[in-house]
Amino acid sequence: EVPLVESGGGLVQPGRSLRLSCVASGFTFDDYAMHWVRQAPGKGLEWLSGITWNSVSIEYADSVRGRFTISRDNAKNSLYLQMNSLRAEDTALYYCAKDIYGLLDQNGGMDVWGQGTTVTVSS
Amino acid sequence: SYELTQPPSVSVSPGQTASITCSGDKLGDKYVCWYQQKPGQSPVLVIYQDNKRPSGIPERFSGSNSGNTATLTISGTQAMDEADYYCLAWDSSTAGVFGTGTKVTVV
Repeated sequence: EVPLVESGGGLVQPGRSLRLSCVASGFTFDDYAMHWVRQAPGKGLEWLSGITWNSVSIEYADSVRGRFTISRDNAKNSLYLQMNSLRAEDTALYYCAKDIYGLLDQNGGMDVWGQGTTVTVSS
Repeated sequence: SYELTQPPSVSVSPGQTASITCSGDKLGDKYVCWYQQKPGQSPVLVIYQDNKRPSGIPERFSGSNSGNTATLTISGTQAMDEADYYCLAWDSSTAGVFGTGTKVTVV
């Protein structure tokens, strides 16, 4: 059983939107904060966004604030990333990751990662 | 925006100690975690909150953080430790920033 499975990636034109999903299993999803992290081809990791277990606190990286929206549905054990106004530089492998803790300000770290879903932004 | 700098590469002989640094302004005031990523694989958390090891991570991995520098130390480095390593710090307590990454080669 794979704990985190991302989906929703694909080829999209610049300026368009895409919604990524991540389904969790094997742990109590609503106990933990969750994150999205991406990795452009041949590049390093980039943290994008985090959300607390109860969705009360949400944070974004400057590079995506105002364009991307993170959300979760604890009843469905699911995490989402709505991506609007996509740019070529958003082309990357997008990972969903579980936090060690339930709150972002506990500053734990991401201990479970999915395999990622690829987003390609090109005309 | 906050930035974390790592050396692009570190070489180490098998059985020796590898030290990977991560530098940032007043980094010692923030919590740091470290990730190992092998080619084609998802990252693995090896250290969190500066010096804590998740279950399943070998004792040869250790971390420290003080001043402007955090350090990941791999003692008795093994061939299986060859990978890219990334530090991550929590800026303003809740937003994550990754370091530039270090490729560790065991030669």
